[in-house]
Amino acid sequence: EADIYQTPRYLVIGTGKKITLECSQTMGHDKMYWYQQDPGMELHLIHYSYGVNSTEKGDLSSESTVSRIRTEHFPLTLESARPSHTSQYLCASSPGAAFYGYTFGSGTRLTVV
Amino acid sequence: GQQVMQIPQYQHVQEGEDFTTYCNSSTTLSNIQWYKQRPGGHPVFLIQLVKSGEVKKQKRLTFQFGEAKKNSSLHITATQTTDVGTYFCAVPVNYGGSQGNLIFGKGTKLSVKP
Repeated sequence: EADIYQTPRYLVIGTGKKITLECSQTMGHDKMYWYQQDPGMELHLIHYSYGVNSTEKGDLSSESTVSRIRTEHFPLTLESARPSHTSQYLCASSPGAAFYGYTFGSGTRLTVV
Repeated sequence: GQQVMQIPQYQHVQEGEDFTTYCNSSTTLSNIQWYKQRPGGHPVFLIQLVKSGEVKKQKRLTFQFGEAKKNSSLHITATQTTDVGTYFCAVPVNYGGSQGNLIFGKGTKLSVKP
């Protein structure tokens, strides 16, 4: 049923490695978001995009970077993973203004050892 | 700055008891949304409220938007174990370049004892 896909679902990786978390949506939504969430805790916005070639940093400072070359694709990259990056990363999209609900992906659970 | 407070942070109930979570904003809202996140899952959009004093129902869930459009509540009647999860309210950012994004409350984590 999901129209927004995140891969991988789980990732365990060593310190210092470069990783890219994938997020794709098939709904043609302009707005896309990345949230960081520790299990059962609040959602922290780390990046968002209003369309192709548009990216902005969110409220929570993050060492990750994002790109938006195609409407449907919004990958997140960590150049050098650290244990402090261990968390769940959730991607979301919405059609436009805040009168539309967000559709979230299933998330990537990242563990950096 | 704009704030949204959600209470309580945790709620433990016996199956069959009612449950309510509250969301309060420091500013007047154009709308408010509610999401549910099951343990190990991702947030799922439940509903949006737009009108002052609006009340909407989804089976055992009742959502209410305050008359002043600064607060909202989610009430679950006769909780079931399937209601377990974290309930988040979300309100639109009303200033600056991120206008239109949502601010999520910290959530209320509901546990239900069978």
